[in-house]
Amino acid sequence: SYELTQPPSVSVSPGQTARITCSGDALPKQYAYWYQQKPGQAPVLVIYKDSERPSGIPERFSGSSSGTTVTLTISGVQAEDEADYYCQSADSSDTYQGVFGGGTKLTVL
Amino acid sequence: QVQLQESGPGLVKPSETLSLTCTVSGGSISSYYWSWIRQPPGKGLEWIGYIYYSGSTNYNPSLKSRVTISVDTSKNQFSLKLNSVTAADTAVYYCARATVVPAAATVWFDPWGQGTLVTVSS
Repeated sequence: SYELTQPPSVSVSPGQTARITCSGDALPKQYAYWYQQKPGQAPVLVIYKDSERPSGIPERFSGSSSGTTVTLTISGVQAEDEADYYCQSADSSDTYQGVFGGGTKLTVL
Repeated sequence: QVQLQESGPGLVKPSETLSLTCTVSGGSISSYYWSWIRQPPGKGLEWIGYIYYSGSTNYNPSLKSRVTISVDTSKNQFSLKLNSVTAADTAVYYCARATVVPAAATVWFDPWGQGTLVTVSS
């Protein structure tokens, strides 16, 4: 089955830039999505279609894509950004089945 | 603004059937796809499947033999049934609206319900 690979953890100091990567063989052909999940809460969509930001999501959240890797970038990280982040894509071009990465714990030092 | 709320038993015995319902408020269930996603305690997210308001479904191959998702447009609800459950099915179960764009071969999930913990134990 198709897999998306994320680093288990990323640490950054307040005000710095955090970059969380997600790798998958189909990503050059498939859009990627990013979700933020804080403890005890449901995931929230923060980036869709690789780099689009839903309304209400701060501008410090951005997304990019290059080959088999997509990246979530959080500029000027704030303490409130500490959370788990999951990437998600579709399984293949003709099944439209959801696939999630294993998640990355962002720690704000 | 669309809101989703899961409901159902929090405890299910091994080998029995897990049944959950998601109620959609603030908008119609029609013309959209609706999904179930789960998260075992301390672990990552797993997509279970989704249903179109017309009734067509798409399931995770790893769960397909045990899963049924159905929709009741008159009640603005959709439901999940997972049979022959084991302890490995213990998880927080989320319902979410799925956006499926065949032309772009893509799917994403937004918004999500708050989730409900289902424990499989005797």
